[in-house]
Amino acid sequence: EAGVTQFPSHSVIEKGQTVTLRCDPISGHDNLYWYRRVMGKEIKFLLHFVKESKQDESGMPNNRFLAERTGGTYSTLKVQPAELEDSGVYFCASSQDSGRLYEQYFGPGTRLTVT
Amino acid sequence: AQSVTQLDSHVSVSEGTPVLLRCNYSSSYSPSLFWYVQHPNKGLQLLLKYTSAATLVKGINGFEAEFKKSETSFHLTKPSAHMSDAAEYFCVVSDIWRALTFGSGTRLQVQP
Repeated sequence: EAGVTQFPSHSVIEKGQTVTLRCDPISGHDNLYWYRRVMGKEIKFLLHFVKESKQDESGMPNNRFLAERTGGTYSTLKVQPAELEDSGVYFCASSQDSGRLYEQYFGPGTRLTVT
Repeated sequence: AQSVTQLDSHVSVSEGTPVLLRCNYSSSYSPSLFWYVQHPNKGLQLLLKYTSAATLVKGINGFEAEFKKSETSFHLTKPSAHMSDAAEYFCVVSDIWRALTFGSGTRLQVQP
C-alpha cells in the first residue's frame, strides 16, 4: 500500500512568487491534514479536510494560504504571494477516520524556502 | 486547550545504554498521546500511541512509554540504544477532535 506522498520535495522561490504544494493521501483515507514546521519552531496544525470539505482551518496563518481538495482525493496548498516567514517544512497527513483514536500517517514533507 | 512540553531539546547517549526522552502534556480532555520519530530526510513515523487502554505502551523498535496521569507525563524509553535510533522524536497529544499538537522535538544522538 502506497503511503502519503508529497510533491515537490523541495521548492525554492522568491518573495512575492506563488507556490503550490501537493499531497496525495493514502487511498481510502477521507481525512487529510496539513501541518508545517517553521525553522526552530514546533510542527503546527494548519487545516483538516474530511473528503472535500474543510472541517477545521483554524491553523491557517492568513489569507495568503489557500487549500483545496477537489473530489476528495489529493489536496493542494497554495501560497500566494509567498513571504520570507513562510519558509519551512510542510507536512501532509491522512487518516482513515477522524478522532483521537485514529493514527495519522505522514508524508515526507515539502521543504519550502522563500528567498 | 492542550499543550506538550518536551523537556530536552537534545539527548546524547552511548550505544547500548538506556534512552529516556521526557514529555509532559496538558489537556482538557482524556487525551490520546503519541510518539513520532523523524529520521533525516524521512517522513514522520509513528512509534507508539496511548488511547486510554493499558498505561504502559509498547511500540516499534523496542521503544515503550508509560502514561502517568498523576504526573501528566508520557516519557519514552528504550533499554538499549542503537545507532539507528539517532533521529528527532516528537511527543504529540490529540484531543477529542483530530488536530495533533506537537512538542518541540528532542534530537537523539547515539555515540558509538
